[in-house]
Amino acid sequence: DVKVTQSSRYLVKRTGEKVFLECVQDMDHENMFWYRQDPGLGLRLIYFSYDVKMKEKGDIPEGYSVSREKKERFSLILESASTNQTSMYLCASRTGTISSYEQYFGPGTRLTVT
Amino acid sequence: GQQVMQIPQYQHVQEGEDFTTYCNSSTTLSNIQWYKQRPGGHPVFLIQLVKSGEVKKQKRLTFQFGEAKKNSSLHITATQTTDVGTYFCAGIDYKLSFGAGTTVTVRA
Repeated sequence: DVKVTQSSRYLVKRTGEKVFLECVQDMDHENMFWYRQDPGLGLRLIYFSYDVKMKEKGDIPEGYSVSREKKERFSLILESASTNQTSMYLCASRTGTISSYEQYFGPGTRLTVT
Repeated sequence: GQQVMQIPQYQHVQEGEDFTTYCNSSTTLSNIQWYKQRPGGHPVFLIQLVKSGEVKKQKRLTFQFGEAKKNSSLHITATQTTDVGTYFCAGIDYKLSFGAGTTVTVRA
């Protein structure tokens, strides 16, 4: 079974702190994604990566950056956390094969910024 | 850019009844996917539809892709308490765009 793990289930940070969210997948997937999930807004794509050291902006990249130094690991960075970044963050991965777009999600990190 | 709209946002269903949730895209999609997220859980892939007019069934769930590949529906028959959760559609043109989801609650 594909396994996508995230470093924390719950995280509380203060405004202005630098925050790192880590995601690791064990299926050698080329593509990895970061979403945030807010009530009534569904899942919104922040950033994605289709290869090591490659990254692409999603729909809401402002205030975030990412890092992918190894194929299995994709990190989301909040350079200076703000209260409007309080949300559920979901990481996902999928194979690069174009015929299969199924995404596998991690358990999520609920981040609260105070 | 591509937008995927999903209705209704909430669906309250009596156990044993049927219901349908709808997904509409502003652009023509290459594929559409459906995911289910149980309360407290993460989205889990249900199915992918690729062909115009395609219909697929999974037990009590019937998924349909519109002829113009701009809309889709999920129909659940004889709703059970295990159907509780949020159902998302996700449309693909050059990337995957999720709808806001339909959150389903079931009255026993």
